[in-house]
Amino acid sequence: GESVGLHLPTLSVQEGDNSIINCAYSNSASDYFIWYKQESGKGPQFIIDIRSNMDKRQGQRVTVLLNKTVKHLSLQIAATQPGDSAVYFCAENTNTNAGKSTFGDGTTLTVKP
Amino acid sequence: GAVVSQHPSRVICKSGTSVKIECRSLDFQATTMFWYRQFPKQSLMLMATSNEGSKATYEQGVEKDKFLINHASLTLSTLTVTSAHPEDSSFYICSASSSRASSYGYTFGSGTRLTVV
Repeated sequence: GESVGLHLPTLSVQEGDNSIINCAYSNSASDYFIWYKQESGKGPQFIIDIRSNMDKRQGQRVTVLLNKTVKHLSLQIAATQPGDSAVYFCAENTNTNAGKSTFGDGTTLTVKP
Repeated sequence: GAVVSQHPSRVICKSGTSVKIECRSLDFQATTMFWYRQFPKQSLMLMATSNEGSKATYEQGVEKDKFLINHASLTLSTLTVTSAHPEDSSFYICSASSSRASSYGYTFGSGTRLTVV
């Protein structure tokens, strides 16, 4: 079945460095992608989203890149801070099943001071 | 912004009893709510889609008679875990969206940690 997966389960970076978290998806019909941040014991928090008609979207300190050719999604965090330490999930949606997000496995980001 | 409140945040119950979890949209009307379950160090798995005024749609493998969902109003959906067993211990999370919203974006509740002893 369709799945969304992440290449690396953990990522450790130094404070101030840039972080890149990757995600591969398999459903070519997916047209909306979301990155979430989840801190321990809390629900996922929306970070940034991108639709399939775009290949890049920027937010505050975050950038999402979408490569539909290879079904790859990435989240870039600039100047990573200790408060960015969390588990990051990518999720995909299709227009025909709006709201039914399929979540990837998650990458644990640890920021070392 | 959209806020979803989930209650309780933690609950411990005895095996065989039932537990009700509430999910409320505080500042918007949620025509659709989603219930997820998350086991430790795992991803979120969708359990069911809750539509206001109609029956919930359950994902394959989720027992509808065990996980009762009620979405009686545009601001409240409840998940009742009936005859709970230790294997039901998990982190339950709801999310909400509204067809009236100008864009996608699903707001999640803070989750409920259920421990069945």
